[in-house]
Amino acid sequence: GESVGLHLPTLSVQEGDNSIINCAYSNSASDYFIWYKQESGKGPQFIIDIRSNMDKRQGQRVTVLLNKTVKHLSLQIAATQPGDSAVYFCAEQGGSEKLVFGKGTKLTVNP
Amino acid sequence: NAGVTQTPKFRILKIGQSMTLQCTQDMNHNYMYWYRQDPGMGLKLIYYSVGAGITDKGEVPNGYNVSRSTTEDFPLRLELAAPSQTSVYFCASTMTPGTSGGDEQYFGPGTRLTVT
Repeated sequence: GESVGLHLPTLSVQEGDNSIINCAYSNSASDYFIWYKQESGKGPQFIIDIRSNMDKRQGQRVTVLLNKTVKHLSLQIAATQPGDSAVYFCAEQGGSEKLVFGKGTKLTVNP
Repeated sequence: NAGVTQTPKFRILKIGQSMTLQCTQDMNHNYMYWYRQDPGMGLKLIYYSVGAGITDKGEVPNGYNVSRSTTEDFPLRLELAAPSQTSVYFCASTMTPGTSGGDEQYFGPGTRLTVT
C-alpha cells in the first residue's frame, strides 16, 4: 500500500550550515510530493512541492529533489537558521485526493 | 482571509463523553480533511470531503463521524470518547486537486484533546 517514510528521525546542524532531510516513498504511482514544516504547537505549514515530471524545484532557501528511480525525495535548506528548527514532513499523493504523510524529521539548529 | 480555523484549541473529556470539533475555512476550498497526530508521529487521515454533502473515510475513521452541509464547515464528531482518542486533531483544506494553484493542503492550528 501507500507509505512514506523518513531515513532519520532527528537532525542536528549548526547555524549557517546547509541541511538535508530525506524521505523515501513506496508508491511508484505517486505524482505529487509536498514538504511541510511543523513548529511546536502549530499546524503543518507548506514549504514546497514538486510534481513527478520534475527532478528539482527551488524556493527561497529551500530546494526539493525528486529521484523517481529510487523513490527518494529530499529537502535542502540553505544557510539554516534557528527559525528553521521544527519537524519536517514529506507527503505524497498519487491518483487520489489523499496525502500520505511520513513520520517526520526533527531538525534542531544549534547557534 | 482567516484561512482554516478550528475550535476549541484545547479540551479535556471524560471517557464516554461526546463532543464536536469545529473546522471552518474561508478560501472556498472544496476539499477538506481531518487528521489526528499522536505524539512524535505523523498525521493520519480520519475523514475527508470532496464537497458539500460528500464525505469519505480515511485511514482511521473508527470512533468518529463527520458531516459537510456547507462548503465552509467540516465538523468532526466524537460520540463516545475513549483514551485512545487522546491526540491533536488538525483540519485542512485544499482547492480541487489538479486545478491551478497547487494541491497543497492548508492546515488549521489544531485542537489538543485529552480523554481521561
